[in-house]
Amino acid sequence: SQKIEQNSEALNIQEGKTATLTCNYTNYSPAYLQWYRQDPGRGPVFLLLIRENEKEKRKERLKVTFDTTLKQSLFHITASQPADSATYLCALNTGNQFYFGTGTSLTVIP
Amino acid sequence: DSGVTQTPKHLITATGQRVTLRCSPRSGDLSVYWYQQSLDQGLQFLIQYYNGEERAKGNILERFSAQQFPDLHSELNLSSLELGDSALYFCASSVRTSGWENTQYFGPGTRLTVL
Repeated sequence: SQKIEQNSEALNIQEGKTATLTCNYTNYSPAYLQWYRQDPGRGPVFLLLIRENEKEKRKERLKVTFDTTLKQSLFHITASQPADSATYLCALNTGNQFYFGTGTSLTVIP
Repeated sequence: DSGVTQTPKHLITATGQRVTLRCSPRSGDLSVYWYQQSLDQGLQFLIQYYNGEERAKGNILERFSAQQFPDLHSELNLSSLELGDSALYFCASSVRTSGWENTQYFGPGTRLTVL
């Protein structure tokens, strides 16, 4: 089955810096990969989707890259703000199975 | 607010009992998904329904079952509950079935505590 690995350690960065989160997956590449944000005790919220034929996708201060050779996606938040503090999950589905990473906890320090 | 509703918000019960969690998808969404999230396991996909039919199955225990009704709301039934079933249970919905650009919208979750 598919396995997804995200930065297991929490990430603390200074406000205004760029946060970079990593998502690695095993086995075969999905047609697309998604990133979600989850706040404590709440459901994940969709942020961005990137297709296998796209190298990079941007939305406001967010940027996602997708390297199917490395089987890796990078998620960047530029000009980070304390309000960006949350857990970020990457997700993919292959066939009829849906997989989420365990998430990376990001804290932006004012 | 995602538009997906789940009830109840919290549920406390004893081992061996049976509970039912309810989910109403966003208006127009035909697919409903159920996930279990515990501290040590992350978000685990349980099952998906599309327009009343089971479409995909993940790591769902035999003690658990689900269904989607004609009005598209879904229920997740958990029986013979064990301490390890304590978790957050999320429902999500999407327009499409699976595969291409299947963005999911999550509800607020039901927190189940088994004592």
